[in-house]
Amino acid sequence: SAVISQKPSRDICQRGTSLTIQCQVDSQVTMMFWYRQQPGQSLTLIATANQGSEATYESGFVIDKFPISRPNLTFSTLTVSNMSPEDSSIYLCSVTRTSGTTDTQYFGPGTRLTVL
Amino acid sequence: EDQVTQSPEALRLQEGESSSLNCSYTVSGLRGLFWYRQDPGKGPEFLFTLYSAGEEKEKERLKATLTKKESFLHITAPKPEDSATYLCAVQTPTGNQFYFGTGTSLTVIP
Repeated sequence: SAVISQKPSRDICQRGTSLTIQCQVDSQVTMMFWYRQQPGQSLTLIATANQGSEATYESGFVIDKFPISRPNLTFSTLTVSNMSPEDSSIYLCSVTRTSGTTDTQYFGPGTRLTVL
Repeated sequence: EDQVTQSPEALRLQEGESSSLNCSYTVSGLRGLFWYRQDPGKGPEFLFTLYSAGEEKEKERLKATLTKKESFLHITAPKPEDSATYLCAVQTPTGNQFYFGTGTSLTVIP
């Protein structure tokens, strides 16, 4: 299994400000994923973060809005920049573990962001 | 366009009333299909991974099955503590993309 922690667990922010979310994993992983879950919606992948290279962003998400850092194999940050109320969402980080031929995906508890 | 569709959106069951949730997909190629349980205010909790048509996996009252275009999550004799949103996701062949369905919100009434 994987133990994933996120900070902060929730925050209320003003429009135009930025928030950095931290994700810590209990052991080394190659890829870390950042998702957004808007109210009443399912999960949407924002980007994949590999250590030592730039993050890969999904369609509709750009680095200027969601810069990501991946300084080592157990840690990543996602920044939500120049926030607007439409950014209100739960942000989740995730990792996959492969054991033999089985992949398992683990999620952090999420960061609940409200933008006023 | 790659897509994952879950049905029904919401399901209310009496305790002990068995039923099935559906996850259909049109993703090109499939490395794996994942089922999760999500409780309010929490991140998804991994349940199963299925890889090939005909595969089945079980955990307590849950059994997941996979065909070429869909997966079912069967819930046998559910209990109120099984109430949650159940999500499925398809992993693409490269392994680094997951497409999620919108989930089925299950409520089990005592």
